[in-house]
Amino acid sequence: RKEVEQDPGPFNVPEGATVAFNCTYSNSASQSFFWYRQDCRKEPKLLMSVYSSGNEDGRFTAQLNRASQYISLLIRDSKLSDSATYLCVVTRTTGNQFYFGTGTSLTVIP
Amino acid sequence: EPEVTQTPSHQVTQMGQEVILRCVPISNHLYFYWYRQILGQKVEFLVSFYNNEISEKSEIFDDQFSVERPDGSNFTLKIRSTKLEDSAMYFCASSEAGQGIQPQHFGDGTRLSIL
Repeated sequence: RKEVEQDPGPFNVPEGATVAFNCTYSNSASQSFFWYRQDCRKEPKLLMSVYSSGNEDGRFTAQLNRASQYISLLIRDSKLSDSATYLCVVTRTTGNQFYFGTGTSLTVIP
Repeated sequence: EPEVTQTPSHQVTQMGQEVILRCVPISNHLYFYWYRQILGQKVEFLVSFYNNEISEKSEIFDDQFSVERPDGSNFTLKIRSTKLEDSAMYFCASSEAGQGIQPQHFGDGTRLSIL
């Protein structure tokens, strides 16, 4: 089973829409969780860390459900500039490596 | 905002040759990483480096690969006897702390093309 799984999409949504992505992870001992965004052929950029109690950063809300082993990202009031691939990242309690999902592609349409 | 820098941005090399990819991590970071991303695939971990030694490596990071911190600022990835399947985007990253607790900050990558 893959360490991290994401629906690859693509998600095509109109400007102003709300869109949600889910990500599941296989290792119950996973420690830290992040959402990164990646523009075409560019580097991953940190969008937000995901905390146990859930957290919000402007239009972005992240949730963690340890019992079901999934994390989610909600984007409200989508902007054209939100078009990108969103990468779910998980770490384990041992080691330093990031485990990346394959990413979910989002296109926001005018 | 401090950033991770990588050079070159694009490297084209004949199969069988050696390449060295260079990175300057963020200055107060202590943990350094290399990842690769084959076109159309996910980002994959290669190696992490702390206190002048490898702290973790993946199955991909075999004897063909090596890392070095030759001075106080640079962090390099050497790939010997390159193969066609080494063609990928290679990302360097750094973080303040290890154990995956802190976010890792990525450089803009080196696109390696093996001919």
